[in-house]
Amino acid sequence: QQQVKQSPQSLIVQKGGISIINCAYENTAFDYFPWYQQFPGKGPALLIAIRPDVSEKKEGRFTISFNKSAKQFSLHIMDSQPGDSATYFCAASTGSGGSNYKLTFGKGTLLTVNP
Amino acid sequence: SQTIHQWPATLVQPVGSPLSLECTVEGTSNPNLYWYRQAAGRGLQLLFYSVGIGQISSEVPQNLSASRPQDRQFILSSKKLLLSDSGFYLCAWSDYQETQYFGPGTRLLVL
Repeated sequence: QQQVKQSPQSLIVQKGGISIINCAYENTAFDYFPWYQQFPGKGPALLIAIRPDVSEKKEGRFTISFNKSAKQFSLHIMDSQPGDSATYFCAASTGSGGSNYKLTFGKGTLLTVNP
Repeated sequence: SQTIHQWPATLVQPVGSPLSLECTVEGTSNPNLYWYRQAAGRGLQLLFYSVGIGQISSEVPQNLSASRPQDRQFILSSKKLLLSDSGFYLCAWSDYQETQYFGPGTRLLVL
């Protein structure tokens, strides 16, 4: 019940295309859903995050879509660029009301954007 | 602004040797601190987390241990390394905002 299932495992997109990564969860107590971007040899960096009170959040070319009833959320990268090539992780936490925030991570998606 | 440091950046150790990895955070007080391990091409495995000095919770039983001797210092240790301990070790911190911020990582190779 604590798992976050992420798909696809890898994704190849042409420059200018749309990259879509999906995540699904079971634990309805999750209330915070961040996405991280990780380049080889570097630590993950927060990309964008959403809470379940909104269905969509957009920051530049990156958009999170959230479907609370389906317990799914996805990352859309518009106009994908070769510099977006990285591993993307979705995550979820149940930190509200507590002082300890543990994230449950998906297994990651390796995105390759071809020039 | 907050900064998180990890050292060393890379470490090659023989099997059976001890290990000490250090993580420090600047620019915040009483952060939650986390140690993760990432195997090559794999996801993030939470090893330990700490909500305060001397308070350590273990997520995965293994030959690693963690300590938090100071508010913004988190140490990962082992008395005897195994081959399976090789990986990319990441420290992270969070405050009441829930977002975790990761350090640059330490790549450990046990031979």
